[in-house]
Amino acid sequence: AQTVTQSQPEMSVQEAETVTLSCTYDTSESNYYLFWYKQPPSRQMILVIRQEAYKQQNATENRFSVNFQKAAKSFSLKISDSQLGDTAMYFCAFRGGSNYKLTFGKGTLLTVNP
Amino acid sequence: GAVVSQHPSRVICKSGTSVKIECRSLDFQATTMFWYRQFPKQSLMLMATSNEGSKATYEQGVEKDKFLINHASLTLSTLTVTSAHPEDSSFYICSARVRTGTLYEQYFGPGTRLTVT
Repeated sequence: AQTVTQSQPEMSVQEAETVTLSCTYDTSESNYYLFWYKQPPSRQMILVIRQEAYKQQNATENRFSVNFQKAAKSFSLKISDSQLGDTAMYFCAFRGGSNYKLTFGKGTLLTVNP
Repeated sequence: GAVVSQHPSRVICKSGTSVKIECRSLDFQATTMFWYRQFPKQSLMLMATSNEGSKATYEQGVEKDKFLINHASLTLSTLTVTSAHPEDSSFYICSARVRTGTLYEQYFGPGTRLTVT
């Protein structure tokens, strides 16, 4: 079974600064997908970024980028120029190539301070 | 974009009664939907996978007779919590699987907060 570990329960960052959220996972599959989801206080889950394991290039979406280290099974999220609206719970998630199910980490609560 | 709605957003029911939560895909058809449960300050736990026109697949430890799932159409899945008890109080979230290009994505509903008194 796949496991997803987020070792930082809470983090804080000053507005406009950069923060990195950590995620590690364990799987025996070679083809899989990794995701970062954001859950703001409204509780609506929002997809931030995805990474296909077969792609070596790290995914980027505007201020959000990942550092995908396949051999180390590490998938960190970097948020640049942090904004107050980035305050949320962030979940790392894994999905196998042949499986529809998402396995979530326990989440990291990020607070952006003014 | 793909929008998923849930109704109701909040519901309070008395212990022993049943409550139904609806999950709708508004601008696309979803053959597969998922139901999650989230306790305060915890992660999402998959309860079951709902497939249109067939029986739902429940995760280990989830009582299928207590959490009834029906996926009668390509845009609607329902979760009925039967004989609810206070320990069933939680935040329930659905998602719908949709193909975007060569990938499948899950789009999430806004969730339903259930409180059993």
